[in-house]
Formats: sequence, C-alpha cells, structure tokens
Amino acid sequence: DAEITQSPRHKITETGRQVTLACHQTWNHNNMFWYRQDLGHGLRLIHYSYGVQDTNKGEVSDGYSVSRSNTEDLPLTLESAASSQTSVYFCASSANRARRTDTQYFGPGTRLTVL
Amino acid sequence: AQSVTQLGSHVSVSEGALVLLRCNYSSSVPPYLFWYVQYPNQGLQLLLKYTSAATLVKGINGFEAEFKKSETSFHLTKPSAHMSDAAEYFCAVSARGSTLGRLYFGRGTQLTVWP
Repeated sequence: DAEITQSPRHKITETGRQVTLACHQTWNHNNMFWYRQDLGHGLRLIHYSYGVQDTNKGEVSDGYSVSRSNTEDLPLTLESAASSQTSVYFCASSANRARRTDTQYFGPGTRLTVL
Repeated sequence: AQSVTQLGSHVSVSEGALVLLRCNYSSSVPPYLFWYVQYPNQGLQLLLKYTSAATLVKGINGFEAEFKKSETSFHLTKPSAHMSDAAEYFCAVSARGSTLGRLYFGRGTQLTVWP
C-alpha cells in the first residue's frame, strides 16, 4: 500500500545545530507540504512543493529550507535550530496541484525538541 | 483570502450524545472544505470533504457535515458519540489561484467523550 513516512519520529537537538527531517511518500504525488503543529495554533504551513525542483514558502518559513530532487522526498532542514522551533512537524502530500478537491495525506509526524 | 474559524477549542460530550463541532469559513469564491481528525500521537486523516456535489456530506465513522452557504458554515455532526471519537478535529478550506492545492486549517477542536 502507498504511504507517507517521516523520520525520525522523535528528535532532541541543541540550539544552533542543523537538523534535517525526512519525508518520503510512495503515492507518486506531485504536491508535498510541511506543517508545524503547536498548541493553540493548529497547523501552519512551512514550505511546499508542486513537483521536482519546485519549492515555495509558506506562512512560517523563516529558519527552514526544503529541496525537491525527486518525486518521493521532501526533506525539511532547520539551518540553525532555535528553541522556538520545538514543535511537532507533519509532512503531507496530494496528487495534483490543479485540483482543489484533492485530499492531503499526512505522515505520522516528527516531534522535535530544541534544548 | 481564505480562512477558517473553529468555534470552541474544547468540546466535551457524554457517550451517546450528539456531537457538534463548528466551522465557519471566509472565502471570496465557492470554497472546498475538509474535516480532518487527529488521534493521539498520529497524523491527520480525512473524515470528509465538500466539493460542491451535495451540501450534506457523509464521512467515515458516522460523521457528517452540512455546507450552508448563507451561514458560511460547515459544521461537523455525529448523532451518537463513542469513546473512540475522542480526538482533535480540524476544519480546512482549499486555496485558490496561484496556491492551488494548499489547505488553510482552523486551530482545531479537542473532543472529549465522557463515559
């Protein structure tokens, strides 16, 4: 069965370190998204991609970067981790940019703690 | 611009009671609307979505939602709550224009079901 996976599931790091969170989907979807979830804020979009070599900033992109070198993967990098980036991170994918009705499928999440 | 407001960050009901979770949207064009559920320590999964085919949408696990254009609402209901319904619920609206495929999420409603 097709799926979307994230690794690691839990990560503890120190302030100032570079951290990369992995996201891999086997749906063969064009669209991929990264969200962070914080109490009281719901899900906020960090970055998204409509296809290979395409990346776009979301509403909370400062301090994060992504790259899309193939269809299956969209790694999220925190260039220099800050305590404010302690959060739960979700990756999602959907099939087709042109269809507003497409369902987004979510990974299980990565809980990141920055000390 | 698109936005979603979920009224009530916490809702508590007794097992067997009606579940009503409120969602109001703001959109300058006919919206496409989604309800997602998040069980503890899991990612989000789709409950149901409105894509203009029918105003009353039935989803998984006995949930349904009614699109009311005059009230700009898409409230989620279930006639009889089960303990297994305890989770966080998110309403989302689909973006339009250059950001097709994006979803704008509400802040979520935590549903507690008492025995």
